[in-house]
Amino acid sequence: QSVLTQPPSVSAAPGQKVTISCSGSSSNIGNNYVSWYQHLPGTAPKLLIYENYKRPSGIPDRFSASKSGTSATLGITGLQTGDEADYFCGTWDSSLTGVFGTGTKVTVL
Amino acid sequence: QLQLQESGPGLVKPSETLSLTCSVSGGSISSAGYHWGWVRQPAGKGLEWIASLYHSGNSYYNPSLKNRVTISEDASRNQFSLKLTSVTAADTAVYYCARHTLVAVTGKAEFDLWGQGTLVTVSS
Repeated sequence: QSVLTQPPSVSAAPGQKVTISCSGSSSNIGNNYVSWYQHLPGTAPKLLIYENYKRPSGIPDRFSASKSGTSATLGITGLQTGDEADYFCGTWDSSLTGVFGTGTKVTVL
Repeated sequence: QLQLQESGPGLVKPSETLSLTCSVSGGSISSAGYHWGWVRQPAGKGLEWIASLYHSGNSYYNPSLKNRVTISEDASRNQFSLKLTSVTAADTAVYYCARHTLVAVTGKAEFDLWGQGTLVTVSS
């Protein structure tokens, strides 16, 4: 079961921006780093963001993220058709368990 | 380049044990600083972390599955495995193995490499 809450879907036209929220609690997001993943059906999830806002090598700066309190946000600017995917947030809980978000489907109109 | 590949039966009968193996190539599960874990995704639902281990170190389990799950490693084969007992239809999902960091003191944990996933269906 997913512990972190995300909107089921967001959409925008090509070139526009979308933001995805991720809401947790003090035991997970509030005291731990947040990571974000892009997941295309049938493929391996890809790490987009780690340590709240850092991008791994090869991830374009169109992807950005932030964290405030017990919530985190992922932003995608200059939306492209290739960005259509499911996006998940993730973190570690103070009870030493991994937790993920409910997932958000991004649709490019 | 490090790669992970899941393997195991795609169909398991109710009440039986689900067994999956993750083979790691291009790197070693003995590498310092990384944990190895399992995550699953039922159809139409979000990701659920199952369990993780550190080479020759601690193991961590999802409390909701802890009584039924065992994660183990075979360093000689560069593999780690998952066993889930007494399965039901609710355990039908795509199962992923993944590598992740975990620094509990700082709260750093990200899954940086994943396998392609394997669909396991629980049905008679």
